[in-house]
Amino acid sequence: DADVTQTPRNRITKTGKRIMLECSQTKGHDRMYWYRQDPGLGLRLIYYSFDVKDINKGEISDGYSVSRQAQAKFSLSLESAIPNQTALYFCATSGGSGHSNEKLFFGSGTQLSVL
Amino acid sequence: QKEVEQNSGPLSVPEGAIASLNCTYSDRVSQSFFWYRQYSGKSPELIMSIYSNGDKEDGRFTAQLNKASQYVSLLIRDSQPSDSATYLCAVNPLSNNDMRFGAGTRLTVKP
Repeated sequence: DADVTQTPRNRITKTGKRIMLECSQTKGHDRMYWYRQDPGLGLRLIYYSFDVKDINKGEISDGYSVSRQAQAKFSLSLESAIPNQTALYFCATSGGSGHSNEKLFFGSGTQLSVL
Repeated sequence: QKEVEQNSGPLSVPEGAIASLNCTYSDRVSQSFFWYRQYSGKSPELIMSIYSNGDKEDGRFTAQLNKASQYVSLLIRDSQPSDSATYLCAVNPLSNNDMRFGAGTRLTVKP
């Protein structure tokens, strides 16, 4: 099945460390996204990319950076992790034309804990 | 005011009943509306989309949209224990994929 794969599934790190979360997809979608989910706050958009040369900041991009290495790969970096970046991170994709490219397909998530 | 607001719940209904989930949004220019279901420990999964005023039915699910009142709802008929999950309302303001999510409503269907 075409899929959205995130690695790692879980990560514990220390304050100040650099960390990268990776996402790859076999759906053939052009659009990729990074969201974080916090209890009581729902999903919030960090960065999104409509193609390899297009990167856009989302609602909460401060403290994060991204790289779109290929159509199928989109990674999220925390240059210097801090405890309030502890959250569940989701990668998502969308594709097609018209309303189809608004429908998000999510990876399994990465639970990140910053101590 | 949050851009997308939902009652956090928990909402508890007996098996076979109708579950009604509500969502309001603040951006009047919003064009596209979605409901995602998220089981505990899992990722969100799209279950309904709606773009114009009125009702849209898909099996046991009905999405309702009222743009004048900035209100979107999800009805689940003949609720089953397997419907127990958190339901996320999502709104795309200008159809440019800057999707905004509500915090979700947790639904429990009791056998």
